[in-house]
Amino acid sequence: AQSVTQLDSQVPVFEEAPVELRCNYSSSVSVYLFWYVQYPNQGLQLLLKYLSGSTLVKGINGFEAEFNKSQTSFHLRKPSVHISDTAEYFCAVRGATNKLIFGTGTLLAVQP
Amino acid sequence: DGGITQSPKYLFRKEGQNVTLSCEQNLNHDAMYWYRQDPGQGLRLIYYSQIVNDFQKGDIAEGYSVSREKKESFPLTVTSAQKNPTAFYLCAIATGGSGNEQFFGPGTRLTVL
Repeated sequence: AQSVTQLDSQVPVFEEAPVELRCNYSSSVSVYLFWYVQYPNQGLQLLLKYLSGSTLVKGINGFEAEFNKSQTSFHLRKPSVHISDTAEYFCAVRGATNKLIFGTGTLLAVQP
Repeated sequence: DGGITQSPKYLFRKEGQNVTLSCEQNLNHDAMYWYRQDPGQGLRLIYYSQIVNDFQKGDIAEGYSVSREKKESFPLTVTSAQKNPTAFYLCAIATGGSGNEQFFGPGTRLTVL
């Protein structure tokens, strides 16, 4: 069975500092991984995805993630964050019958 | 979102009443999903439909019902049997193909008083 673990429920960071949001997965089948962002009281927006190929995936808003099969990780990174990046971030793995299994989310709190 | 609409944005109901949440899409995709979001728990799948006139239970289907009579519409009914219905409800579509990404509507926040 597939599962996703986001160990950090909240990550505080100062503006213009780098950030890494951690995601570990468990999957017994081919791995398809996603990161979504959610601003308050809104739906989820797809940031980036890993389906196959290059392990470094670039997404929108300057985010990128690296797929690491040996460590079963898919951490999200940004070299310099802005106040507008404050949001909740969800990692997800695609399971059987194309269902998405989500982690519990990480709140990125960017401080001036 | 974009081609996925959910209405209303906020919904209030009295305990014991059934309520139906709307999800409409004009993207011509077959697969549609309903999720429930609670603080600190991420998203949990309620029901999904991969084709018109067919749907399957997700992980937390008890107390909910759906219908899929049209490709464009996938309404969710929260029944009085749902013990804790207050939550943020999100509808999504899947694009199909190798990526099969899911795209989400703006959500409906249901509060049961």
